[in-house]
Amino acid sequence: EPEVTQTPSHQVTQMGQEVILRCVPISNHLYFYWYRQILGQKVEFLVSFYNNEISEKSEIFDDQFSVERPDGSNFTLKIRSTKLEDSAMYFCASSDLRGGYNEQFFGPGTRLTVL
Amino acid sequence: GEDVEQSLFLSVREGDSSVINCTYTDSSSTYLYWYKQEPGAGLQLLTYIFSNMDMKQDQRLTVLLNIKAKHLSLRIADTQTGDSAIYFCEERSKGSGNTGKLIFGQGTTLQVKP
Repeated sequence: EPEVTQTPSHQVTQMGQEVILRCVPISNHLYFYWYRQILGQKVEFLVSFYNNEISEKSEIFDDQFSVERPDGSNFTLKIRSTKLEDSAMYFCASSDLRGGYNEQFFGPGTRLTVL
Repeated sequence: GEDVEQSLFLSVREGDSSVINCTYTDSSSTYLYWYKQEPGAGLQLLTYIFSNMDMKQDQRLTVLLNIKAKHLSLRIADTQTGDSAIYFCEERSKGSGNTGKLIFGQGTTLQVKP
């Protein structure tokens, strides 16, 4: 069964460094998403992406963040100049439909620890 | 804005029923979902219910929706140790559905004791 994969599973970085979190969505999906979950808190929407453009972003997704689909398979989230409060689990998701009942398929997540 | 709330922890004995509750604020919710997250894995869609339904049953899972109270529950019959996981409630209004932006609760950790 096709699945969303994410690498690395755990990333440790120093405050101020840049990190790139990678995702490989399901191959025929067209819509891509990033979410994050700070430990003990809710899963929060960050950004949705379609047709090489950001469709919607939350207030969390400021200039520190960027997304890219550098080739036909990868979808990346870049966090510039990481802060301690960026420590969280980051989930990638993809779907083949937008709106209404569109099942988003989630990856296993990347745990980002900022020291 | 939209908000979804869940209790954080539930502990049951194997074979008992589990009931996980969720409340939400968005009165225009059209779809409500339950996800399961096992350790080290992503969120897996378990079941969903449309806002024009009050109950949906799927094998051991029963979803109850009280749209007036904006209350959703997930009942797991004959709970097994393999049901131990974090369960997320998610609501989707017409607005969030069009963008794919999902609104989650904070997740309920279900602990099943043998």
